[in-house]
Amino acid sequence: EAAVTQSPRNKVAVTGGKVTLSCNQTNNHNNMYWYRQDTGHGLRLIHYSYGAGSTEKGDIPDGYKASRPSQENFSLILELATPSQTSVYFCASGDDGQNTLYFGAGTRLSVL
Amino acid sequence: QQKVQQSPESLTVSEGAMASLNCTFSDGTSNNFRWYRQHSAKGLEVLVSIFSDGEKEEGRFTAHLNRANLHVSLHIREPQPSDSAVYLCAVVTGNYKYVFGAGTRLKVIA
Repeated sequence: EAAVTQSPRNKVAVTGGKVTLSCNQTNNHNNMYWYRQDTGHGLRLIHYSYGAGSTEKGDIPDGYKASRPSQENFSLILELATPSQTSVYFCASGDDGQNTLYFGAGTRLSVL
Repeated sequence: QQKVQQSPESLTVSEGAMASLNCTFSDGTSNNFRWYRQHSAKGLEVLVSIFSDGEKEEGRFTAHLNRANLHVSLHIREPQPSDSAVYLCAVVTGNYKYVFGAGTRLKVIA
């Protein structure tokens, strides 16, 4: 079964600080995604990638950067964290076929 | 841009009764739909994938797709308290991007 691992699982950050959320997948999937989940909004796409070295902007990319240094790893970077970025973040991977997404367990981020 | 709405926002059913969840979407050209389940504070697990009009069954979970009516539904047969969770509908667009609904919170009471 697909395995997507996120770290850390919980993070408290200060406003203006830098935050890096990490995601590792062992499925050899080309596509990886970062979503945030907020009450009333469901899951919203921040950044995604079609393979190592590529990153694409999703629907709400402002304030976030992404990095895909390898097939397995996809990071989400908040250079200057703000309280509005307090949320639960999910990473997912999918292949080029039917592209069923397999999700990690999520990272709960609080920016104070 | 694809819009996805789910109804109802919350649903309570008795154990053993059928649970029916609804999802409407704005662009009928999509042909790739998923239903996911999310237990509290956990990740999402895929329940059913459906790619053409009609019905797709996976165990106790059945999805019905009618693209002409811009509607996809999920029916849960004989729901159990362990099925209590948030259910998310997703429409996959041509560039492998998922658009999710806000979810239906299901509670199954014994």
